Amino acid sequence: QKEVEQNSGPLSVPEGAIASLNCTYSDRGSQSFFWYRQYSGKSPELIMFIYSNGDKEDGRFTAQLNKASQYVSLLIRDSQPSDSATYLCAVGTSYGKLTFGQGTILTVHP
Amino acid sequence: GAGVSQSPSNKVTEKGKDVELRCDPISGHTALYWYRQSLGQGLEFLIYFQGNSAPDKSGLPSDRFSAERTGGSVSTLTIQRTQQEDSAVYLCASSLRRGRGGELFFGEGSRLTVL
Repeated sequence: QKEVEQNSGPLSVPEGAIASLNCTYSDRGSQSFFWYRQYSGKSPELIMFIYSNGDKEDGRFTAQLNKASQYVSLLIRDSQPSDSATYLCAVGTSYGKLTFGQGTILTVHP
Repeated sequence: GAGVSQSPSNKVTEKGKDVELRCDPISGHTALYWYRQSLGQGLEFLIYFQGNSAPDKSGLPSDRFSAERTGGSVSTLTIQRTQQEDSAVYLCASSLRRGRGGELFFGEGSRLTVL
């Protein structure tokens, strides 16, 4: 079992729709959870982080964490073509190591 | 510079040669990470430094791979006797936060091609 698992997609949504990206992790001791966005040919950049169970909203983005189910998700509201990218889920341990999933390719079509 | 700097940006080498990849993190960032990304794949963890020490080097694929960090700043990833499967983009990232995993700032990567 991979430490961090994501559906590789591609996930295709129409412009203006909600895109839902999911991630599961295996280490129950994980303490921090991140979503990174990676455009083709570019390096990853952080878009959201969450540490506690529940929802965290930042603009059009909402991160959701359920530690009991070992599940973290990212919702993108009012999706735009510029949101088209690979979204990487990352899970952190107490001492700082960050493990990434394989990424989900998101395509937002006009 | 303001960001994480990596060099070289591109390296083409012959199988069996040694290569060195350099990372200059953001000033003041105590944590430094090396990841490897093959085409169309996610980020594979290689090694993590806190200061000059490496609490976790579990991701290094073989003993051909080694890394060091000096002065709590610049890090070098060395690959000896390169193989074709070593071809990938090697990403370095640094972080200010200690523990819990903080926001990582990535460099632009070093693309390694082994012929």
